[in-house]
Amino acid sequence: RKEVEQDPGPFNVPEGATVAFNCTYSNSASQSFFWYRQDCRKEPKLLMSVYSSGNEDGRFTAQLNRASQYISLLIRDSKLSDSATYLCVVNPRPAGNNRKLIWGLGTSLAVNP
Amino acid sequence: DAGVIQSPRHEVTEMGQEVTLRCKPISGHDYLFWYRQTMMRGLELLIYFNNNVPIDDSGMPEDRFSAKMPNASFSTLKIQPSEPRDSAVYFCASSLGGVGETQYFGPGTRLLVL
Repeated sequence: RKEVEQDPGPFNVPEGATVAFNCTYSNSASQSFFWYRQDCRKEPKLLMSVYSSGNEDGRFTAQLNRASQYISLLIRDSKLSDSATYLCVVNPRPAGNNRKLIWGLGTSLAVNP
Repeated sequence: DAGVIQSPRHEVTEMGQEVTLRCKPISGHDYLFWYRQTMMRGLELLIYFNNNVPIDDSGMPEDRFSAKMPNASFSTLKIQPSEPRDSAVYFCASSLGGVGETQYFGPGTRLLVL
């Protein structure tokens, strides 16, 4: 099992739709979680951190399910500008002093007019 | 404020040539990361520095790759000799306070090795 897995998509949705992505992780002791957004041919940018109680920022909601080891990202009332790749990132519990974020391959979203 | 600056933005070279990628992190950030991104493997961490000291270079593919950070405002990633399989987008990122803090990425260098 990969350390972080995402459905690559693409997810094609009409404007105004609600869409949700899941990301599963294998390390049950993982500490923190993030969603980054990457536009085509651009660099990744932090979209939101994922807290144990869930996190909401406008149309975006991120949730963590530790029991099932997944995090989710919900986008409501999707806009054309939401079209991008969404990267799931996990910060595992360190072994020794070595800590590296684990990046998923991303889920591609296309919002259509 | 300037973000992370990378140069060159594009590089086309022939197999066997030396390639040097450059990065200027955000001023005041104490962590610097070098990533490589390909369609097949996604974003891979190559090496990261804390206060100019390399902490983890386990992601560096092989001895052909080397990275330095001579001061807090400059880092280089060198590939010598380059091979076609090194073709990828190379990102530099910086953060303040730790690996798990928000990482700010530069625009990347698109490398094509012929």
